[in-house]
Amino acid sequence: DTGVSQDPRHKITKRGQNVTFRCDPISEHNRLYWYRQTLGQGPEFLTYFQNEAQLEKSRLLSDRFSAERPKGSFSTLEIQRTEQGDSAMYLCASSRQGYYGYTFGSGTRLTVV
Amino acid sequence: AQSVTQPDIHITVSEGASLELRCNYSYGATPYLFWYVQSPGQGLQLLLKYFSGDTLVQGIKGFEAEFKRSQSSFNLRKPSVHWSDAAEYFCAVGSPPRGSTLGRLYFGRGTQLTVWP
Repeated sequence: DTGVSQDPRHKITKRGQNVTFRCDPISEHNRLYWYRQTLGQGPEFLTYFQNEAQLEKSRLLSDRFSAERPKGSFSTLEIQRTEQGDSAMYLCASSRQGYYGYTFGSGTRLTVV
Repeated sequence: AQSVTQPDIHITVSEGASLELRCNYSYGATPYLFWYVQSPGQGLQLLLKYFSGDTLVQGIKGFEAEFKRSQSSFNLRKPSVHWSDAAEYFCAVGSPPRGSTLGRLYFGRGTQLTVWP
């Protein structure tokens, strides 16, 4: 069990640029979740996958956001035309069938300047 | 709609003192309740969870929480706080799992714990 891995740990980008984050879940975990956490707030749900199927998306996930999990293993979260309001910690978590809890990664901190 | 309220944004306690962090939830059915801890710049670590059964649940690091349905509360407690407990604590509520796997969680805004030596 190597834990949930997120890459990069930090990303600074200029407004209007596109960014992509990667999440590698624990290998036997079939569910993968993305959350966003802004300063002073708790994590807010963005989306989750069961294997390669995206089962639910939050209204927070605007048209500029897209997430994929093409082979049911790692996942990517892309933000197009970044805005300053996108600055946040993006957290990935995974879970397996029968285990009622998440394992979180350390997150990717995005700063849009 | 599901929601979680953590009324205390910041709590300060002395090392060795007891601790109680409050959490109130809003959910129509039997909730699945969680407490997570987050150290600066890190992801969240699960402390404990409640689904059913005994309303007093034990977690890691000496923490426990009590589910009180009548008060819609799930308060976190520790009898003696250590300096290493300083962190941010999040309460979360979720729906019962579908297909034996958990769906989305709703988190409170967190309580920052400071521990004085």
